[in-house]
Amino acid sequence: EADIYQTPRYLVIGTGKKITLECSQTMGHDKMYWYQQDPGMELHLIHYSYGVNSTEKGDLSSESTVSRIRTEHFPLTLESARPSHTSQYLCASSEYETQYFGPGTRLLVL
Amino acid sequence: SQKIEQNSEALNIQEGKTATLTCNYTNYSPAYLQWYRQDPGRGPVFLLLIRENEKEKRKERLKVTFDTTLKQSLFHITASQPADSATYLCALGAGNNRLAFGKGNQVVVIP
Repeated sequence: EADIYQTPRYLVIGTGKKITLECSQTMGHDKMYWYQQDPGMELHLIHYSYGVNSTEKGDLSSESTVSRIRTEHFPLTLESARPSHTSQYLCASSEYETQYFGPGTRLLVL
Repeated sequence: SQKIEQNSEALNIQEGKTATLTCNYTNYSPAYLQWYRQDPGRGPVFLLLIRENEKEKRKERLKVTFDTTLKQSLFHITASQPADSATYLCALGAGNNRLAFGKGNQVVVIP
């Protein structure tokens, strides 16, 4: 079982609110990732990080931002949530090729 | 354009039989390919990795093949059990430890 945690697990929020999705791992992995997944669809990489103070945008354009101030922590922020942001957000970490995923945050923006 | 294709139809299979899933890709040259299992509402869990110079990999009841000429991987679950019911994702190494995922193929094992 991977030691990677995401909070909250579920979030229902109104349009225009600022939200932060938390992701933490205790494995000491340098690489961390954020994916977005809609039901029945593939995971899309939206952000990744190769280490502290390193962040890159992924293949899918996203209005969210990320930060990596500590190795174990990789939060994702939406400054102003919109209904189009409704989705499942999955965080992962890796040392080499294999990625270890958290349980995900299911976000619903009304 | 780059594509990873997995069968969108669920595979219904009798308990004890072998389930075989296919992953086809175009316009990728992956150094490795991985298979993950995903249960509803959960994050994917890593199962197997196979590299471009390997033809076959096994782990317990799981077997993966990788044909870089056909640009295809096959994933087998032998002696399937109801607990194997899940969605199985194919993921290609896309460089710099990033992965490109297929949509997944659902397996339903009928007791």
